[in-house]
Amino acid sequence: AQKVTQTQTSISVMEKTTVTMDCVYETQDSSYFLFWYKQTASGEIVFLIRQDSYKKENATVGHYSLNFQKPKSSIGLIITATQIEDSAVYFCAMRPPNQGGSAKLIFGEGTKLTVSS
Amino acid sequence: NAGVIQTPRHKVTGKGQEATLWCEPISGHSAVFWYRQTIVQGLEFLTYFRNQAPIDDSGMPKERFSAQMPNQSHSTLKIQSTQPQDSAVYLCASSLLGVSQNTLYFGAGTRLSVL
Repeated sequence: AQKVTQTQTSISVMEKTTVTMDCVYETQDSSYFLFWYKQTASGEIVFLIRQDSYKKENATVGHYSLNFQKPKSSIGLIITATQIEDSAVYFCAMRPPNQGGSAKLIFGEGTKLTVSS
Repeated sequence: NAGVIQTPRHKVTGKGQEATLWCEPISGHSAVFWYRQTIVQGLEFLTYFRNQAPIDDSGMPKERFSAQMPNQSHSTLKIQSTQPQDSAVYLCASSLLGVSQNTLYFGAGTRLSVL
């Protein structure tokens, strides 16, 4: 079965610090794709960053980076120099490649991040 | 690029009424997805179209829910005889085809409230 799990329900940090959000996944496939999305208070869901499982180098986009540990089936999101506007719910998602032609993403439960000044 | 457009943003229906939700994907995107979001269930996959053809409807409730994509510029999700448990935010997303292009772009969602 394919599954994505985010065990941290909520995290609170001070502005300008670094935060890591955890995500573990289950899949029988050797090749797959991992994503992080952010949902703002308005409800908008925005793509942040992705990691293709065959790539050994951790993806980095702006102040977002990933800690991909394939043997542990883990893909952590690291946000450095957090800002107030980073406050949101963060979702981890996986796309297994072999889904009978489907391209659906399987989402985790989400982690609510609150950044305070 | 206007992004994925969903209408209406909010819809209130009475129990037993029909609700039709609309989605206009990003121009050029041939993959369209519908998801449902609730506090309890989180983000649930409903259905997926590729080049307007239904490919995966494994998340669709077997009764009362149906989805169509009559042309490349819009898709609809129809819920017949709505029930209070159908209350949720319904999200449409689109993407390009190809495993290297499979980042989903979401619309703002339609909040359905069934009274």
